Amino acid sequence: QQPVQSPQAVILREGEDAVINCSSSKALYSVHWYRQKHGEAPVFLMILLKGGEQKGHEKISASFNEKKQQSSLYLTASQLSYSGTYFCGTVNSGGGADGLTFGKGTHLIIQP
Amino acid sequence: DSGVTQTPKHLITATGQRVTLRCSPRSGDLSVYWYQQSLDQGLQFLIQYYNGEERAKGNILERFSAQQFPDLHSELNLSSLELGDSALYFCASSPEGGGIQETQYFGPGTRLLVL
Repeated sequence: QQPVQSPQAVILREGEDAVINCSSSKALYSVHWYRQKHGEAPVFLMILLKGGEQKGHEKISASFNEKKQQSSLYLTASQLSYSGTYFCGTVNSGGGADGLTFGKGTHLIIQP
Repeated sequence: DSGVTQTPKHLITATGQRVTLRCSPRSGDLSVYWYQQSLDQGLQFLIQYYNGEERAKGNILERFSAQQFPDLHSELNLSSLELGDSALYFCASSPEGGGIQETQYFGPGTRLLVL
């Protein structure tokens, strides 16, 4: 079951904040966040595990609410380099091997 | 640069043909994953190999097959190609067998165009 991301797209001015949400109808074991620039490979940002721990580095952080089966990615004081498409990939099985099930992505455009 | 390499970068072929995409994982990684990205389907998991054995299967068509060799590189074979197979094909690798907390590192992709 594909996770649902919202919003589909967002346009910001440099320095503004953004929140991208990812929700699943199935139980989540972990959520993996990636950013992809057009025509390039998805680049790993972070993994969120069950337990609601908030993780982050620099001005990008994320949270995982296992009760609501959703994760949110927070981009603070956005920079031009943050532009791209953000994908959440979910793991619905706790058993180990599995590929990631990705959402349709959120397009983020940062304007100067 | 993730350390995952894929060849070729671009591939143009005709309907009905067969192609092979190649992937070398990061040094030391045992798992290789294949993903297909298209405008209408998004980024979809196809198949995972771990240390030479098939580990997990996603939305892979019967016309597609993959294998992982003893040196851990992997190949994705696409046969009887159709126009709808045109897409970006990514390979990713991870250190062990995958799972909830293993990071997958993506290669640069192979862009396939079927005419």
